[in-house]
Amino acid sequence: DTEVTQTPKHLVMGMTNKKSLKCEQHMGHRAMYWYKQKAKKPPELMFVYSYEKLSINESVPSRFSPECPNSSLLNLHLHALQPEDSALYLCASSPSWTPVYEQYFGPGTRLTVT
Amino acid sequence: GENVEQHPSTLSVQEGDSAVIKCTYSDSASNYFPWYKQELGKRPQLIIDIRSNVGEKKDQRIAVTLNKTAKHFSLHITETQPEDSAVYFCAPLYSGGGADGLTFGKGTHLIIQP
Repeated sequence: DTEVTQTPKHLVMGMTNKKSLKCEQHMGHRAMYWYKQKAKKPPELMFVYSYEKLSINESVPSRFSPECPNSSLLNLHLHALQPEDSALYLCASSPSWTPVYEQYFGPGTRLTVT
Repeated sequence: GENVEQHPSTLSVQEGDSAVIKCTYSDSASNYFPWYKQELGKRPQLIIDIRSNVGEKKDQRIAVTLNKTAKHFSLHITETQPEDSAVYFCAPLYSGGGADGLTFGKGTHLIIQP
């Protein structure tokens, strides 16, 4: 299995809601990432997990809360979001124990905050 | 952090012609140079990459060349086809082999004219 899966595919939420995005991979990768992509822009790094520990947090607002419950799963908990947080949220994974740097991206969750 | 510039922002070529996209980076320690392709509504996918000890790499119609002295690398696509229409991102980085988030260039929208 060489795929990263993400659920849900689409999500519409109000500014007072709490929701979670889920990402899963079964390639045995030990590095997982969250990126945010606005329309017509490149993906921007949000968080990096290495061996289930948060290793990079790119000064993301606290209304985004990542969680890595095990080596195959990555969650992004959302709370009190703003309309400007509407974007495509991409999860990615990569091997971290060899000099192999390719990142495998999931299809993304398209989030709309109303 | 890495400062990445990518040119041109839009490139329109006739089907069958060649396309060249250039990426300039600032960190002289960068040792990994990938190109990602993102079709409309799809996830980014790695199409070719090169490491700092190699000057050129080719995979069928796609090639990447690296000039470490000038700190730039380029994507070359020959005999372009309609399915090459997409946004292409470079993402140079320094990696010690662990978990490293990508900093993407702003992207080049490649349009293949029939």
